[in-house]
Amino acid sequence: KQEVTQIPAALSVPEGENLVLNCSFTDSAIYNLQWFRQDPGKGLTSLLLIQSSQREQTSGRLNASLDKSSGRSTLYIAASQPGDSATYLCAVQMDSNYQLIWGAGTKLIIKP
Amino acid sequence: DGGITQSPKYLFRKEGQNVTLSCEQNLNHDAMYWYRQDPGQGLRLIYYSQIVNDFQKGDIAEGYSVSREKKESFPLTVTSAQKNPTAFYLCASKDLRGAIVGTGGQFFGPGTRLTVL
Repeated sequence: KQEVTQIPAALSVPEGENLVLNCSFTDSAIYNLQWFRQDPGKGLTSLLLIQSSQREQTSGRLNASLDKSSGRSTLYIAASQPGDSATYLCAVQMDSNYQLIWGAGTKLIIKP
Repeated sequence: DGGITQSPKYLFRKEGQNVTLSCEQNLNHDAMYWYRQDPGQGLRLIYYSQIVNDFQKGDIAEGYSVSREKKESFPLTVTSAQKNPTAFYLCASKDLRGAIVGTGGQFFGPGTRLTVL
């Protein structure tokens, strides 16, 4: 059974720092992996989706990498800003018709 | 603008009542999903539907019911059989054609927070 883990559960860093959020999964035979952002009391916003054949995806200051063999994905945030404060969730999909399997998220606080 | 709407934003339920959460999308997506989110936990799938008039149970369907009479609408009813319904409920939709060409992902509504009084 696929399990998705995000460590740490919470992270607080000063503004301007580069940081890495981690996502690990137990079954490497994934179809894709997606990173989401959730602001308090709000829905989720999709940030990046990495297909199983891809190694990384980039959007602005965000870069997500995927290493299937080690069961890991990282979300790199460059030059962090207070507006980046949110909970970041990762989810994996095992095939195109399968449901997403979610991590519990990392709550990120960027201190001004 | 295309998107997903959920209503109401906040909902209060008395013990023994059924309540219905609304989810509407104008993205022309085939698939729709209902998730429950509790503090410190990942999202858990309640029900999903990939086509009108058809839906499937997720991991925690007990105490919930859904219908999919129209492509754009996927309401969730929280019945009195759900013993611990206080949670944040998220609806999502997905373009299954996007999944075929490798670009699809789920899009989420703003959520409904349900509290049992």
